[in-house]
Amino acid sequence: NAGVTQTPKFQVLKTGQSMTLQCAQDMNHEYMSWYRQDPGMGLRLIHYSVGAGITDQGEVPNGYNVSRSTTEDFPLRLLSAAPSQTSVYFCASNLQGADTGELFFGEGSRLTVL
Amino acid sequence: KNQVEQSPQSLIILEGKNCTLQCNYTVSPFSNLRWYKQDTGRGPVSLTIMTFSENTKSNGRYTATLDADTKQSSLHITASQLSDSASYICVVSPGGSGTYKYIFGTGTRLKVLA
Repeated sequence: NAGVTQTPKFQVLKTGQSMTLQCAQDMNHEYMSWYRQDPGMGLRLIHYSVGAGITDQGEVPNGYNVSRSTTEDFPLRLLSAAPSQTSVYFCASNLQGADTGELFFGEGSRLTVL
Repeated sequence: KNQVEQSPQSLIILEGKNCTLQCNYTVSPFSNLRWYKQDTGRGPVSLTIMTFSENTKSNGRYTATLDADTKQSSLHITASQLSDSASYICVVSPGGSGTYKYIFGTGTRLKVLA
């Protein structure tokens, strides 16, 4: 089972460059989300989606865009990369909301912005 | 403020020994509490999920307990193995219909030595 697949696994950018982190899930989950993980901090929600065509902001959305054109895919776009966006990014999906659904994570994408 | 605090921050034990990790939360209302295991360079993987009415949940050598009155949870690992070396993350959901909120602790980094 593929589960949640993220690409690329590693990426180095220069300040001001843009890029897209890809996320795909094959479990037919309605809910998908993006988190960033920084040293000494818990995972923080960037954006999430409760279904195709529906997205919403999380705790730290500035500098990131998302779209959800299909149930399977939820790409995260960095518009103009900044060193503060150096982090490990995780995509997650779940079938139901936070009150019942188990959260499945991808393997992560490590981004370095110089 | 909704918070999840974990202790200790890090822990080193010898293979075969038991250990207990702690999680205190101030999240209200409360829907469920989860423990995740995160191997280095990998995404978090679910170990247990407990609702308000559950006191104990086991998954092999992992046993989680929950005291909703004192807002404390613990994860007990029995007969530790080298493969238990990982970060363990406590996650609390405030709940509510349709909510998509998870509050992550910063994790306990466990190292098991041979």
